Amino acid sequence: EAGVTQFPSHSVIEKGQTVTLRCDPISGHDNLYWYRRVMGKEIKFLLHFVKESKQDESGMPNNRFLAERTGGTYSTLKVQPAELEDSGVYFCASSPTVDRIYEQYFGPGTRLTVT
Amino acid sequence: LAKTTQPISMDSYEGQEVNITCSHNNIATNDYITWYQQFPSQGPRFIIQGYKTKVTNEVASLFIPADRKSSTLSLPRVSLSDTAVYYCLVYKAAGNKLTFGGGTRVLVKP
Repeated sequence: EAGVTQFPSHSVIEKGQTVTLRCDPISGHDNLYWYRRVMGKEIKFLLHFVKESKQDESGMPNNRFLAERTGGTYSTLKVQPAELEDSGVYFCASSPTVDRIYEQYFGPGTRLTVT
Repeated sequence: LAKTTQPISMDSYEGQEVNITCSHNNIATNDYITWYQQFPSQGPRFIIQGYKTKVTNEVASLFIPADRKSSTLSLPRVSLSDTAVYYCLVYKAAGNKLTFGGGTRVLVKP
């Protein structure tokens, strides 16, 4: 079974530019989450999809961040325009709704560097 | 959500048992306890979860006393590859967001 994949693994952009991160969850997982760790801080929740619907987006820092999950499969997280404080590692996770529902499976993360 | 407190770091040696205790004094009746492991440059990985008493799987054991105000993750006979950050988390129910603290950095020495 393939795990959660994220693309790209690393992105370096200039302040003011746009970046789109992609997450492919484990096939069949209805729940998809985005988290991020900014430098020196703890991993923080951003938002949670159930299929294509946003279940909880309480962690989204501001309206420069836009997450989508069209069709309930992969998800994208767009940052526009990027700011220096957006630098960090963005993790995606997925979990099923039946069997082992308490486990969230994390991807390797996308390291975003805004210069 | 209940706040968790765990040691910042722990050192151990290969072959030893490592026990990491986490405090969650304000845990609610419907909260569960889960532990994740994270290696450098990887995402966190689920280790074990429980509600009360003892849970054991192929990786670790989790001890939860009756009052549930703390929990102890036990890693038997650690190896160098167990060097990682271990997070104790409390969560409401499956499908909910995870709230990470600082974790415990475990260093296993030869």
